[in-house]
Amino acid sequence: DIQMTQSPSTLSASVGDRVTITCRASQSVSDLLAWYQQKPGKAPKLLIYRASSLNSGVPSRFSGSGSGTEFTLTISSLQPDDFATYYCQQFNTFSLTFGGGSKVEIK
Amino acid sequence: EVQLAESGGGLVQPGGSLRLSCAASGFTFNSHALGWVRQAPGKGLEWVSVISIRGDSTYYADSVKGRVTISRDNSKTTFYLQMNGLRAEDTAVYYCVKELVGVGGSYVFDYWGQGTLVTVSS
Repeated sequence: DIQMTQSPSTLSASVGDRVTITCRASQSVSDLLAWYQQKPGKAPKLLIYRASSLNSGVPSRFSGSGSGTEFTLTISSLQPDDFATYYCQQFNTFSLTFGGGSKVEIK
Repeated sequence: EVQLAESGGGLVQPGGSLRLSCAASGFTFNSHALGWVRQAPGKGLEWVSVISIRGDSTYYADSVKGRVTISRDNSKTTFYLQMNGLRAEDTAVYYCVKELVGVGGSYVFDYWGQGTLVTVSS
């Protein structure tokens, strides 16, 4: 299986900050990488697919980039609603794998 | 509005069985692959299984292969996860999910149910 590694595991930031989360794959997944946001007690929400395509209804402050084995999720100006845990997921193979998560906390 | 509603979770003894159901509405059911993703308490997301549009292809995580069966009933717009030989490590919230079509690759999930808790304990 392809292993997905996210960093950092926890990030402390303030409203208005630019935030970047990294996801690395153990082998190339091309651009077949998605990002999800999850708030406590809630189901995850799809933010980005194909590494950089914004899902419908997702604010434009979210962006994704990368290909191959290294990907980033960027929040250009952190808003109060963005404090959550973020997960990457590769869909290059039929054995789907998620990263371990990156929690964005209030500084 | 797309809705996915899980049911069937609960407390089960090790070695026992449970069948989860996911009732779907608000989209063309037989045009989407469907699946299950779980989350152990305080842990990250783990993909469990996916079933193709017609149900002729199924995929399973190694951690559940041989113990779990996914199925779907297009006439009832409901899909299922039959879990046998349950272990303590299967304890998790189980989410049913719907694929986002037309993005290439295998499966990305654009809608999730609210989750149902499965607890395996004696």
